[in-house]
Order: sequence, then C-alpha cells, then structure tokens
Amino acid sequence: KAGVTQTPRYLIKTRGQQVTLSCSPISGHRSVSWYQQTPGQGLQFLFEYFSETQRNKGNFPGRFSGRQFSNSRSEMNVSTLELGDSALYLCASSLVKGYEQYFGPGTRLTVT
Amino acid sequence: GESVGLHLPTLSVQEGDNSIINCAYSNSASDYFIWYKQESGKGPQFIIDIRSNMDKRQGQRVTVLLNKTVKHLSLQIAATQPGDSAVYFCADQGGSQGNLIFGKGTKLSVKP
Repeated sequence: KAGVTQTPRYLIKTRGQQVTLSCSPISGHRSVSWYQQTPGQGLQFLFEYFSETQRNKGNFPGRFSGRQFSNSRSEMNVSTLELGDSALYLCASSLVKGYEQYFGPGTRLTVT
Repeated sequence: GESVGLHLPTLSVQEGDNSIINCAYSNSASDYFIWYKQESGKGPQFIIDIRSNMDKRQGQRVTVLLNKTVKHLSLQIAATQPGDSAVYFCADQGGSQGNLIFGKGTKLSVKP
C-alpha cells in the first residue's frame, strides 16, 4: 500500500506570494491533518480534515487555509507569504481521528 | 496550558545498549499517546502508540510505558542500532480540539 505523498517536495517563493501544497493520503484513510515544522517551534498543528470538512484548526492566522476533496486528497494554501512561513509542511493521514497518523515526507517551503 | 515536553534534548548511547527516551505531558485528560521517529529529510515515522487504559505496550524492540499518575511517558529501545539514530517525538492527543500535541523531540545518537 502506498504511503502518504506530498507535492511538491521543495518550493521557493517570494514574500507576498501565495502557495498551494498537495497531499494524497494512504488509500482508505479519510482523515488528513497538516502540521508545520520549524526548528524553533517544532511540530505545530495546522488543521484536520475529515470527509471534506475541517474538523479542527490550530492557532494559525487566516492566511493558512485548506480543503479536502471527495477522494480524501487535501490541499493547503498560504496566502501573502511571510519570511516566517519558511518551514517543513507535513501532512498526515489516518483511518479516523484517534488512530495512528502516518506522515508524508513533507514539503520544504522557503520564503525569500 | 497544554504541553508535551521531553526531559533531554539529546541522548547518546553505545550500539547494543538499551535506550530510554522520556516525555512528560500536562493534560491529565489525554487518552492517546504516540511515539514517532524522524530521520533527517524525512517525515515522522510512527513507532508505537498507547492508550490511557494501558500502562505498557510492546512492539518490535520497542516498549512504551505510561505512568498516568505523574503524567510521564517513556520509549525504550532494546539493543539500539545505528539505524535508530534519529529524532524521537512523543505526541499526545490532548489538544483542546483533540489534535496531536508534539514534544520538541530528543535526538538519539548511536555510537558504533
């Protein structure tokens, strides 16, 4: 069974631009969560989607948004990029909430 | 507030020795805990989980111990190998919205 995939793996953007990251969960998994990982803050929860609905949201500004499609694939969008948005963005999927989450390799976003 | 912390940021062990990585959590209502391993350039990899109705759970070469009285979690790795070198995170599903809260991580180095 294929694991969680994320595209692109690396991305360089300029301040003020927007970016869209994509995540394909493990087949059959309906819950997708997004995390931001930085050296200073560690792994921080962004949001969780289940059956195309956002179920939970972390403490991030409204510039961070996401969605989930009927096939459980998910995208997250960051608008008006700031230097501080440079991070590894990780997507994790699970069968349902409360079960182990499996992570993808992440998208390394660099904002210059 | 909610927090999951690790007692030591780094741990160095000799190949073949047993490793113990500790974690403290603050939310007494937390009922699900996970340990992840993250190698350089990769996403976190699920190792083992435990629910609050258990004190101990064993996997292949790994054991997780949960002490709810003192809100402490530990990961024991038996016969540590060079391939075990990575950053280990504990996570606690005790977030205000049921999301995972991650510790800062412990970097395990295995000396041959």
